[in-house]
Amino acid sequence: DAGITQSPRHKVTETGTPVTLRCHQTENHRYMYWYRQDPGHGLRLIHYSYGVKDTDKGEVSDGYSVSRSKTEDFLLTLESATSSQTSVYFCAISVGRNNEQFFGPGTRLTVL
Amino acid sequence: GIQVEQSPPDLILQEGANSTLRCNFSDSVNNLQWFHQNPWGQLINLFYIPSGTKQNGRLSATTVATERYSLLYISSSQTTDSGVYFCAVPSSKRAGSYQLTFGKGTKLSVIP
Repeated sequence: DAGITQSPRHKVTETGTPVTLRCHQTENHRYMYWYRQDPGHGLRLIHYSYGVKDTDKGEVSDGYSVSRSKTEDFLLTLESATSSQTSVYFCAISVGRNNEQFFGPGTRLTVL
Repeated sequence: GIQVEQSPPDLILQEGANSTLRCNFSDSVNNLQWFHQNPWGQLINLFYIPSGTKQNGRLSATTVATERYSLLYISSSQTTDSGVYFCAVPSSKRAGSYQLTFGKGTKLSVIP
């Protein structure tokens, strides 16, 4: 257990509404990541953060924004949710000198 | 970007059988991780193995970095081994870049 929690764990929302997912870590790690998992695609990186207020885009960043105002929290926002953003979202952190990644429990998001 | 291919995509085993899962990657890497996603969706770290061989109980992994592949061995399989196995490597060689690119996974079903 790398001390990562995600909230909410499940959410159903409607197309066009904003949605914010939260990732919280308790161990002060610098690097945090948001991935999405879809059938047939494995996990794909959306955005990542390398420190407070330092973020960058990943492979599938369109339609998503992130914020990190304090070390322990990394927020993922869908500004206007679409059905194509129905997915399972995982947060991860890098730990140790090897930067081994550990994952949170995931958030299942359904956009109707 | 780097490409990661896993084989086979699906595998069905009788309980007690052994198996080998393969991960090929298209460029040299300094980091490789194996994960198990259980039927409840949780991602569990199995190995951090940029090179060489490691063992953990009935599981072992070997990475031959010069030939760009890694193998995950499961011996005496149990029903609890069922799930999807992913390998992941760094997306970039850029210093300070720790994002991972995942393969699409091998879905393992162990039947009693």
